[in-house]
Amino acid sequence: AQSVTQPDIHITVSEGASLELRCNYSYGATPYLFWYVQSPGQGLQLLLKYFSGDTLVQGIKGFEAEFKRSQSSFNLRKPSVHWSDAAEYFCAALGTGANNLFFGTGTRLTVIP
Amino acid sequence: DTAVSQTPKYLVTQMGNDKSIKCEQNLGHDTMYWYKQDSKKFLKIMFSYNNKELIINETVPNRFSPKSPDKAHLNLHINSLELGDSAVYFCASSQEGRQPQHFGDGTRLSIL
Repeated sequence: AQSVTQPDIHITVSEGASLELRCNYSYGATPYLFWYVQSPGQGLQLLLKYFSGDTLVQGIKGFEAEFKRSQSSFNLRKPSVHWSDAAEYFCAALGTGANNLFFGTGTRLTVIP
Repeated sequence: DTAVSQTPKYLVTQMGNDKSIKCEQNLGHDTMYWYKQDSKKFLKIMFSYNNKELIINETVPNRFSPKSPDKAHLNLHINSLELGDSAVYFCASSQEGRQPQHFGDGTRLSIL
């Protein structure tokens, strides 16, 4: 069955520290992969996407993600977190022949001064 | 310029009522979607629709029906609202095919 797993429900980091949010997928073939961010009371904003090619993709707001086929992972990273990065982060996948996203359960990021 | 807009932002109503949520996109996209986000923040597809095909998630009750007057609009109509329908509903749109989806800000539906 197709699925996206985000193992961490809640992560707390200090401002200025580095960040890595984990995402694992389970699909028959390599899906298209996305990271979205949801600020409180807001919709989902696309941070970055991976379709094919270079496995390290750059996104907006200084985020990047690395696709690792051997680990079925697509982890999101940021070298230095800002207080405004506090939000809910969702990993999502688009399977072959499908046009609807499968979402992970989200990771809530708290940033402390 | 708002790319995907939903109205209303908040909707509070009683059990048994019928309500609609409107969605409009100005991105020229071919496909629109409705997602439901439950109290645990889990997002699940309800419908996807383009001018050729409506795909319904089989778990969605038939009290929910999407209505598309034109390519830029996909409204969600809900009959006989139940307590379990309380959630945040998101509209999204994309180009046809496996393309990134753009989301509205959501409609928080509360059933009393």
